Amino acid sequence: AQTVTQSQPEMSVQEAETVTLSCTYDTSESDYYLFWYKQPPSRQMILVIRQEAYKQQNATENRFSVNFQKAAKSFSLKISDSQLGDAAMYFCAYRSDRNTGTASKLTFGTGTRLQVTL
Amino acid sequence: GAVVSQHPSWVICKSGTSVKIECRSLDFQATTMFWYRQFPKQSLMLMATSNEGSKATYEQGVEKDKFLINHASLTLSTLTVTSAHPEDSSFYICSARRTQNTQYFGPGTRLTVL
Repeated sequence: AQTVTQSQPEMSVQEAETVTLSCTYDTSESDYYLFWYKQPPSRQMILVIRQEAYKQQNATENRFSVNFQKAAKSFSLKISDSQLGDAAMYFCAYRSDRNTGTASKLTFGTGTRLQVTL
Repeated sequence: GAVVSQHPSWVICKSGTSVKIECRSLDFQATTMFWYRQFPKQSLMLMATSNEGSKATYEQGVEKDKFLINHASLTLSTLTVTSAHPEDSSFYICSARRTQNTQYFGPGTRLTVL
């Protein structure tokens, strides 16, 4: 079974600074997807960024980028120019690439609470 | 972007009663939907995978007779918590699979059982 580990329960960053959230995972599969989701106080899950395991290039979405190290099974999220609205819980998630209903389920890490200070 | 709704957003019920939660994909068809449970300050735990027209697949440890799932159409899945007890109080979140690679989450339903 796949597992996702987030070793930082809480992180804090000053506004306009950069912060990196860590995520490691364990899998025996070679094809999969990795995600970072944001859950603000409203508790609505919002997709931040997605990475396909077969792609060597790290995904980027505006101020958000990842450092995907497949051999090390590491998938960190970097938030640049942090804003107050970035404060939220961030969950790392894994999904198998096998095309069956249950295989498309997401396995989540325990989350990292990000605080953004002035 | 794709929209997934849940109804109700918040429900309080008495112990022993049943509660139905709806999950709808508003602008796309979803053959697969997922039901998660989230306790305070914890992660999302998958309860079951709901497939349109067939029985749901439950995760280990989830009582299928207690958490009834019906996915009767391509845009609607329901989760019924039967004979609810205070320990069932939680935040229930659904997601709908739009493509192989994309899922969209509903806003969640807070269930409080007195």
